[in-house]
Amino acid sequence: NAGVTQTPKFQVLKTGQSMTLQCAQDMNHNSMYWYRQDPGMGLRLIYYSASEGTTDKGEVPNGYNVSRLNKREFSLRLESAAPSQTSVYFCASSERNRPQVLHFGNGTRLTVT
Amino acid sequence: AQRVTQPEKLLSVFKGAPVELKCNYSYSGSPELFWYVQYSRQRLQLLLRHISRESIKGFTADLNKGETSFHLKKPFAQEEDSAMYYCALSPSGGYQKVTFGIGTKLQVIP
Repeated sequence: NAGVTQTPKFQVLKTGQSMTLQCAQDMNHNSMYWYRQDPGMGLRLIYYSASEGTTDKGEVPNGYNVSRLNKREFSLRLESAAPSQTSVYFCASSERNRPQVLHFGNGTRLTVT
Repeated sequence: AQRVTQPEKLLSVFKGAPVELKCNYSYSGSPELFWYVQYSRQRLQLLLRHISRESIKGFTADLNKGETSFHLKKPFAQEEDSAMYYCALSPSGGYQKVTFGIGTKLQVIP
């Protein structure tokens, strides 16, 4: 069991470029999440998917889009990257019976110049 | 709206000293509280949740509804406790989003 796997681990983008962060979980969890982690601001929820086929905005969705491709995969897309999106991005998942217990990936460190 | 406040960004203690990481919350309903921990070069993981009333790695946390607090305590700090600690809140029952505090970095000095 790999748990939650995120790719890539590191990425540098120029302002205006686009990219997709990939996340996959092998625990058969129903819910998946994208958080960003910034110094002094903790973890903030970008988007989440309560179940396959549904997605909802979190606290800071602007500038991002998501796709719940299937039960295993939940991707985060930056259409036109901005320096304010420089952050560490974490994907997480949770099971139906314990939705508040989050299982995290290792994170993607993104720098936008 | 739900909010979690961790007043200390950094807490430094000597090995063997007691540790208390503070967490206060605001939520009008009945919350579930959690502590997550991130050790160096490891992924963020659940440390404990208040409904379990358990001690994990010597850490305990009691939910005080009167003071709206959920402080994390350990009587004797160990070097391996050095990590980033996040307090988190979720409304109880069913599917609900988890809100995190800004985190407290615990540094245990040998």
